[in-house]
Amino acid sequence: GESVGLHLPTLSVQEGDNSIINCAYSNSASDYFIWYKQESGKGPQFIIDIRSNMDKRQGQRVTVLLNKTVKHLSLQIAATQPGDSAVYFCAGLSRGSTLGRLYFGRGTQLTVWP
Amino acid sequence: GAGVSQSPRYKVAKRGQDVALRCDPISGHVSLFWYQQALGQGPEFLTYFQNEAQLDKSGLPSDRFFAERPEGSVSTLKIQRTQQEDSAVYLCASSPKRLAGPSMADTQYFGPGTRLTVL
Repeated sequence: GESVGLHLPTLSVQEGDNSIINCAYSNSASDYFIWYKQESGKGPQFIIDIRSNMDKRQGQRVTVLLNKTVKHLSLQIAATQPGDSAVYFCAGLSRGSTLGRLYFGRGTQLTVWP
Repeated sequence: GAGVSQSPRYKVAKRGQDVALRCDPISGHVSLFWYQQALGQGPEFLTYFQNEAQLDKSGLPSDRFFAERPEGSVSTLKIQRTQQEDSAVYLCASSPKRLAGPSMADTQYFGPGTRLTVL
């Protein structure tokens, strides 16, 4: 079945450092991935997405890298700020999956220390 | 503008009670999703609506779970005879586009969720 998973459940970084959150997926037919940020008591918030025909995509302070060879993607956050503290989920959508059905990993708790 | 809203935000039910959770999607959004998020886990898909049509309910864990969206806007997730394992946060998400086929994706905007605790 479908599976996406985060490598580490927690990550602590110093304010101003760069953060890298990793995610692996099992289905080589996965062709769309999204990173979500979830703060305590809130719903997931879209950060950035990437399709399988891309290796890299950049947003504001965030970059997503996709390595299809090893079925791995990462989220890089530049100059991490305390407001970035949250749980980060990667989610995947497989080719042929039911309309828009996303498969989420378990999440990585990012803590940013001042 | 207004995002996705859900009510109630918190619900405590005794085992065996029926509950109804409401989702108000972003106005005009065609697609609506329900997810279940257990503590420490990622959201898991429950069901999908396109306007009033429930096109996928394969994620509903049992026949005690029922969802509807009769007028293509507000949706209700109903859980009958609640069990302790139903305790979770129930998230609703909407997206503006009509998903015309597999692998089509559109940004899903999530509500804050309803935290259900079954005692």
